[in-house]
Amino acid sequence: NAGVMQNPRHLVRRRGQEARLRCSPMKGHSHVYWYRQLPEEGLKFMVYLQKENIIDESGMPKERFSAEFPKEGPSILRIQQVVRGDSAAYFCASSPGTYYNEQFFGPGTRLTVL
Amino acid sequence: AQSVTQLDSQVPVFEEAPVELRCNYSSSVSVYLFWYVQYPNQGLQLLLKYLSGSTLVKGINGFEAEFNKSQTSFHLRKPSVHISDTAEYFCAVSVFNTGGFKTIFGAGTRLFVKA
Repeated sequence: NAGVMQNPRHLVRRRGQEARLRCSPMKGHSHVYWYRQLPEEGLKFMVYLQKENIIDESGMPKERFSAEFPKEGPSILRIQQVVRGDSAAYFCASSPGTYYNEQFFGPGTRLTVL
Repeated sequence: AQSVTQLDSQVPVFEEAPVELRCNYSSSVSVYLFWYVQYPNQGLQLLLKYLSGSTLVKGINGFEAEFNKSQTSFHLRKPSVHISDTAEYFCAVSVFNTGGFKTIFGAGTRLFVKA
């Protein structure tokens, strides 16, 4: 059973470009979470999605950021018009939706904005 | 509102010494508790979890944690650390409220094991 997959692992963008991060959850998992980790800081929750639904986006900036988890295919975190402050590691986690909500993490995408 | 506090941002320790990484949480409802480890440039891996039952939970790599409900703590311990335990450790609590599950992570404790 493959784990959570994220691609690309490293992404370099210039200011003003779009960044698109992909996450394929573990087989059988229908819950996806996105987190951001800045250098020397902890994990910050961004958004929680189930198939075709955004459940909680309270941690996601209102502008430039969006997320989706379509019926088919991976979850996508999209950052439009990137700025240097968006440089961070973005982690995706998936969960089967058990009552205790154990999350399984991907290896992360490291975004660098030049 | 729920919160997780990891009391130490960095813990240096010599190899083969014991270590305790502290975690306190606040919640008005029942919680499930986790410890994750993050090695450099990698994602998080689950070390152990407390769901119910025995308050002493054993995990991978010789780690264990004790749930103390009265003190709202879930401290992580290892009796003898190894150089390879150098990593960042995150405590997390999971609660169910309106809208679904929510997992809150602490800020992390960086364990540095010295030879």
